[in-house]
Amino acid sequence: QVQLQESGPGLVKPSETLSLTCTVSGSSLSSYYWSWIRQPPGKGLDYIGYINYSGSTYYNPSLKSRVTISVDTSRNHFSLKLSSVTAADTAVYYCARHQSQWLSNDAFDVWGQGTVVTISS
Amino acid sequence: EIVLTQSPATLSLSPGERATLSCRASQTVYSYLAWYQQKPGQAPRLLIYDASNRATGIPARFSGSGSETDFTLTISSLEPEDSAVYYCQQRSNWPLTFGGGTNVEIK
Repeated sequence: QVQLQESGPGLVKPSETLSLTCTVSGSSLSSYYWSWIRQPPGKGLDYIGYINYSGSTYYNPSLKSRVTISVDTSRNHFSLKLSSVTAADTAVYYCARHQSQWLSNDAFDVWGQGTVVTISS
Repeated sequence: EIVLTQSPATLSLSPGERATLSCRASQTVYSYLAWYQQKPGQAPRLLIYDASNRATGIPARFSGSGSETDFTLTISSLEPEDSAVYYCQQRSNWPLTFGGGTNVEIK
């Protein structure tokens, strides 16, 4: 059974960098595409970007200047860094697996439970 | 960016009734549309992909239809556990986008 688990600080100060990790169990990172998605409090879902096993990435243009997604296949995890954060970046952050092994543009069939990140001094 | 507009915002129905949820795209997404169910405090769960295909383990009372710009998620006979927010998502164009959600309440 594939499981994803997000981890990282729950509180980040404005202007600093948010760093999260998604640890994958039951599936190898050396296949599939892997994404980050966030949900501001009481709002809908926003797509952040993806990475695949070879390190190919895509970032939402709305966040592109501040986002970095990386992968560590030896530890079977991938990571999100979001720089220069503001209160608008307060959200539940989810990691998710793309449904198909080969599609970058896909639906998401496995999700982490989500981690709450609050931006506040 | 493709905008997905979901309606109604809230749907309040009794158990056993039929629920019809709509998702309209600002331009064609062909059949590249998925539906998710999200309960409070939980991650979204994939229900339907590519407009009409049920994901693994999804009950048959959930069905999807539509193409191009107009899509429908139907719950044929509501169960109490279907109380949730439902989101659509397109994978036709980058960036991938989600609709604003429909809140289904069970009376």
